[in-house]
Amino acid sequence: TQLLEQSPQFLSIQEGENLTVYCNSSSVFSSLQWYRQEPGEGPVLLVTVVTGGEVKKLKRLTFQFGDARKDSSLHITAAQPGDTGLYLCAHYNFNKFYFGSGTKLNVKP
Amino acid sequence: ETGVTQSPTHLIKTRGQQVTLRCSSQSGHNTVSWYQQALGQGPQFIFQYYREEENGRGNFPPRFSGLQFPNYSSELNVNALELDDSALYLCASSLSGGGETQYFGPGTRLLVL
Repeated sequence: TQLLEQSPQFLSIQEGENLTVYCNSSSVFSSLQWYRQEPGEGPVLLVTVVTGGEVKKLKRLTFQFGDARKDSSLHITAAQPGDTGLYLCAHYNFNKFYFGSGTKLNVKP
Repeated sequence: ETGVTQSPTHLIKTRGQQVTLRCSSQSGHNTVSWYQQALGQGPQFIFQYYREEENGRGNFPPRFSGLQFPNYSSELNVNALELDDSALYLCASSLSGGGETQYFGPGTRLLVL
């Protein structure tokens, strides 16, 4: 089982605050994906990280892949209500996709 | 370019019945994956079809079956529905099999009573 653990499970913050969500596993990954899912929609891919220690930025979102490629984090700077959604990490291995249970983020205006 | 579409959007069935869900892949994509997402959980991988052949399967019983057609659209069939089958069913298409970037449809919400 390629278990992905995400934390925190829920996060409710005010607009303008910073936050970090985490994705951890005991397994080593060749790559890891982050998705955002809004209510009533399917997940949308945000980024794929591949190299240990890699940092990728997408506007106010910063993604980091752990040096050992077992964990990843997503940091959002100055959160906005439009960032509200379910943030999921996922990876592909042995012909299967594995998703974490997600972090549900609510950004209040 | 048309995105991934799914039908129906919502469905109510009773325990023991059978259901067929449909997915049209994005133009140019030959691979479709199906997922079950229970409320408050992440998607669980059911299976993937690549060029009309099953190309990977998650931990779901045989009563979950699928098809992919020559135009790469796909169906998910679930027999002998159980209450725990109530969930959002998502399909995703990609350019090729394996771990390629997936594009998800909006899902079909199934309620089993």
